[in-house]
Amino acid sequence: GDSVTQMEGPVTLSEEAFLTINCTYTATGYPSLFWYVQYPGEGLQLLLKATKADDKGSNKGFEATYRKETTSFHLEKGSVQVSDSAVYFCALSDRDGGFKTIFGAGTRLFVKA
Amino acid sequence: DTEVTQTPKHLVMGMTNKKSLKCEQHMGHRAMYWYKQKAKKPPELMFVYSYEKLSINESVPSRFSPECPNSSLLNLHLHALQPEDSALYLCASSQDSGNTQYFGPGTRLTVL
Repeated sequence: GDSVTQMEGPVTLSEEAFLTINCTYTATGYPSLFWYVQYPGEGLQLLLKATKADDKGSNKGFEATYRKETTSFHLEKGSVQVSDSAVYFCALSDRDGGFKTIFGAGTRLFVKA
Repeated sequence: DTEVTQTPKHLVMGMTNKKSLKCEQHMGHRAMYWYKQKAKKPPELMFVYSYEKLSINESVPSRFSPECPNSSLLNLHLHALQPEDSALYLCASSQDSGNTQYFGPGTRLTVL
């Protein structure tokens, strides 16, 4: 079945450092790929998404490119802020697979001032 | 309006109580979801309603009973819960399958 694997955390960075969180997936169809973010005490919210190969999703300085050849959707940000401290979930959803969204295990990010 | 609301925000209940969690969205989405999230884990899907009909039940114990009174509302009725059911319960909605899900802030449930 479909699956998502993302790097284990926690990841601790200093403010203004470069961030990469790796995410790879396996899917039989043509899924849409997502990054969701969960701030402390809150629900998940969409950070960015890409619906087909070579699409780049971007939001709030974060970017991720849908790479079919490497089945990856790595999250990057050039300069993190303390306010980016949160848990980041990579996810996939296949329209032909019904309503199930497959989530990765989550990566907790701590950004120090 | 891209908001999903959930009430209550916190709930403490005994193992013999009956309570309900409520979720509401006004985005015209046709699919609504209940998830359970334990600490430091991703959300686990419990139920999906599509066009007000139960579409997915992920083998959830019968002490959890979902209800979709109309296209904007989703309830989760709780009865005879166990301490291990303590978790954050998240509601979400989406336009259709494969689309972005919009999550509510969750209900933090504690079962004593």
